[in-house]
Parts: sequence; structure tokens; C-alpha cells
Amino acid sequence: AQSVSQHNHHVILSEAASLELGCNYSYGGTVNLFWYVQYPGQHLQLLLKYFSGDPLVKGIKGFEAEFIKSKFSFNLRKPSVQWSDTAEYFCAVTVYNQGGKLIFGQGTELSVKP
Amino acid sequence: DAGVTQSPTHLIKTRGQQVTLRCSPKSGHDTVSWYQQALGQGPQFIFQYYEEEERQRGNFPDRFSGHQFPNYSSELNVNALLLGDSALYLCASSLSGQGQTTNEKLFFGSGTQLSVL
Repeated sequence: AQSVSQHNHHVILSEAASLELGCNYSYGGTVNLFWYVQYPGQHLQLLLKYFSGDPLVKGIKGFEAEFIKSKFSFNLRKPSVQWSDTAEYFCAVTVYNQGGKLIFGQGTELSVKP
Repeated sequence: DAGVTQSPTHLIKTRGQQVTLRCSPKSGHDTVSWYQQALGQGPQFIFQYYEEEERQRGNFPDRFSGHQFPNYSSELNVNALLLGDSALYLCASSLSGQGQTTNEKLFFGSGTQLSVL
């Protein structure tokens, strides 16, 4: 069965620090990859997505992610975090032509200290 | 505003009871998916409804059932509640043909927090 693994359960950073959240998936076929963010008390929002083409994708709020097919990875990065980035981050994958079911990782809670 | 509305926002039930959760999709969307998010976990896919039929189902028992109405709104029903059913239940909507296989245009609601005592 397909699965998504996020390396860190809880990450604590100071403002202006750089961020990298790891995500690996297990599926050898064509996948679509996503990062979602859930701010406290709010709904899940799409940060960025990869379907095809340039493996470096840019999303909202200065986030970017790199798809490395050989490593089955889709890590999320931001050069300089802000206090407002405090949230839970979820990596997710859909398998091409399997109906759009999102398979989520367990999430990484990011706390940014002012 | 996500455009997807869920009700109620919070619910407390006891073991063995039945519960119905409701979802109104974003205007113009015709496909509704339901997810269960247990504490400290990522959302897990329950099922998806399109044209009033269950089109895809995740690994959930038959106690979980759903319905989609002609106006595209949807209900999630859970029978014989267990303590382990306590979770945040998320509804997501999309438009057929745009979001079916890519979820590019998938919007989530804020969820219903279900507590089973």
C-alpha cells in the first residue's frame, strides 16, 4: 500500500532560521505530490503541488519544495521562517489515475519562536 | 474562507450511538470527499461521492456510510460509535474533471470535532 512518511514530528525554530521538512513516499508509479498547511484553528490549505515538469516548485508564502524521484522525496523548504509560519504541515500524495484519494503523512508541527 | 462548510463544529456522543455529520461543498463543486484526522495523525481518506454515488472508499468499516444529495451536499454517518472514532472529520470538495485525479482544486472545510465518551 502507498504510504507517506514525514521525518520530524515537531520542529522548533527561531525566526529567520531556515526550514526543511522531510517527506518520503512509497510508490513506484506516477504520483502527484502536495504540501498542505493547517494553521491553528483553521482549515487545511494547499501550500504547493507537483504534477510534472520542473521538480523545484514554488508555493505561497515563500515556500518551495523539490521532487527527487530517485529518492522518492518531496522536501519542503523556506529560507527564513516567520512566527506566522507556526502551523502543522502535511505532505500528501495521490496516485495517478486512482481517483484522487489523498494519502497524507502524519504531519510535522512547526513552532517558530519570535 | 474555504467555501466548504461543515456542521456541527463540535459533537459529543457516547459509545454505541450513531452520528451524522454534514458538509456543503464550495459553490460550483460537485465532488465531496471525507477524511478522518485522529489526534496527532494526518487525515485518512474515508470515501468520495460524485453524482450521488460512492465512487471510491478507503479502509474504513461499513459502520461508516455516506450520502450525497442532488445539490451536492453530503452526509457522513457513523453507526455503533467506538471510542476510537473520536477524531476531526474533514470534508473536501472539488469539481469533476478538474480535481478528480490531481486534486489541484481541492478545498477543505474546517472539520467537525467528534468526541466519543
